[in-house]
Amino acid sequence: NAGVTQTPKFQVLKTGQSMTLQCAQDMNHNSMYWYRQDPGMGLRLIYYSASEGTTDKGEVPNGYNVSRLNKREFSLRLESAAPSQTSVYFCASSAQGTGINQPQHFGDGTRLSIL
Amino acid sequence: DQQVKQNSPSLSVQEGRISILNCDYTNSMFDYFLWYKKYPAEGPTFLISISSIKDKNEDGRFTVFLNKSAKHLSLHIVPSQPGDSAVYFCAASALPGNTPLVFGKGTRLSVIA
Repeated sequence: NAGVTQTPKFQVLKTGQSMTLQCAQDMNHNSMYWYRQDPGMGLRLIYYSASEGTTDKGEVPNGYNVSRLNKREFSLRLESAAPSQTSVYFCASSAQGTGINQPQHFGDGTRLSIL
Repeated sequence: DQQVKQNSPSLSVQEGRISILNCDYTNSMFDYFLWYKKYPAEGPTFLISISSIKDKNEDGRFTVFLNKSAKHLSLHIVPSQPGDSAVYFCAASALPGNTPLVFGKGTRLSVIA
């Protein structure tokens, strides 16, 4: 019963370094999402993938790229990390309903600090 | 422009009493609303949801009320327990199916024994 698994759990980067955050789900969900959570800001959507083979920008996509590698995996890449990208990153997934909404299931997050 | 607003950053309630968490939204196209609960160092977990065709949904100690005309929803927890201490996020979706959720900033609930 792993659900949504994120790796790594913690990471410290220097400004300008690149990094890929990994996310995998074992619930056979079609849709996957990346959020960031900053103090006092709630959860903000970075990118999402409604189904395998598609990706779309969310509210705060600048500085990030994503890859939907297959149905299970959705990665988030920071090409040149900036201190403003210090945050907690959450991956989520949900089943694809036909008019019936399904709640998103979240991983436990990756805590990323950029110095 | 914040479409989902949780105006109370924090709330303290005594054990056994009712906790009421409030959420307001501005987008009249929202038709599906959810509450998530988040403990420190964990991801948010789904708590309860409500569709715009209903005005109330109940699940055990948790009840969500929706007032569409006021664009307001609330989460009631009765009775409150110390284990309910967490951050609660309100979220909303504008379309059926799996569209991205819009989250509020959260309310930190502390239930005091």
